[in-house]
Amino acid sequence: EAQVTQNPRYLITVTGKKLTVTCSQNMNHEYMSWYRQDPGLGLRQIYYSMNVEVTDKGDVPEGYKVSRKEKRNFPLILESPSPNQTSLYFCASSLVGQGPDQPQHFGDGTRLSIL
Amino acid sequence: AQSVTQLGSHVSVSEGALVLLRCNYSSSVPPYLFWYVQYPNQGLQLLLKYTSAATLVKGINGFEAEFKKSETSFHLTKPSAHMSDAAEYFCAVSAGGTSYGKLTFGQGTILTVHP
Repeated sequence: EAQVTQNPRYLITVTGKKLTVTCSQNMNHEYMSWYRQDPGLGLRQIYYSMNVEVTDKGDVPEGYKVSRKEKRNFPLILESPSPNQTSLYFCASSLVGQGPDQPQHFGDGTRLSIL
Repeated sequence: AQSVTQLGSHVSVSEGALVLLRCNYSSSVPPYLFWYVQYPNQGLQLLLKYTSAATLVKGINGFEAEFKKSETSFHLTKPSAHMSDAAEYFCAVSAGGTSYGKLTFGQGTILTVHP
C-alpha cells in the first residue's frame, strides 16, 4: 500500500531535549516536505526537498533541521525544542513533474507537545 | 510571493444544500491551485487541482472549483451537501520556476453539515 509513515504519532517532551520525527514514503517520490498545522493558521511549510541531498527552507524553518540522505526518508529534527513548537506536524511526498502540479500524499500527522 | 485567503473559518449548511467555500489567491506567476480535505485525526487528501488545462475543475466526491483569473479566486462548490462532507477544507497555491516546491495553504474552513 502506498503510504507516508510518520513516527511517533504522539510525543510529549520537555524544552531543550533534542528530538527527531521520522518520515518515510514507499512511492519512490522525489519531493518531500514538512508542515506544521496550528489552529487558525492552516498548514505552514517548514522545509522541503526536491531530491536526495537537496533541501530548502519553507515559510517557517526557524528551530528546525532536516536531512535527505535517502530518497525514502526525510526526518525532521528539533535540536532544542521550545514550547512554541508545540503543534501538529505533517510530512508529505509527491512526484516531481514539469510543473508543481503533482498532488502531495500526506502522512497521518505527529502531535508534539513541548513543556 | 504567494498567498491564499479562505473567507470564513466556519461554514454551516443543511444536508442537501449547496456548499460554497471561498478561496482567493495571490501569485506573481501563473498559479497551480489545489483543494485538500482533512477528516478528523487524518492527514490531508487531494480533492482537486487546477493546472491551467481547464478553468472548471471536477474533483472527487462531487466537488468542483472554478478558476477565475480576473477575481484571483478558486472557490469550491458542491451542489448538494452530504453528512460525510463534514471536514476541514484547505485551499493551497504553488508556483513553478524558482518557487517550485513551495506550497502555501490557506487558514482552512471547517464545514459542518446539519441533518
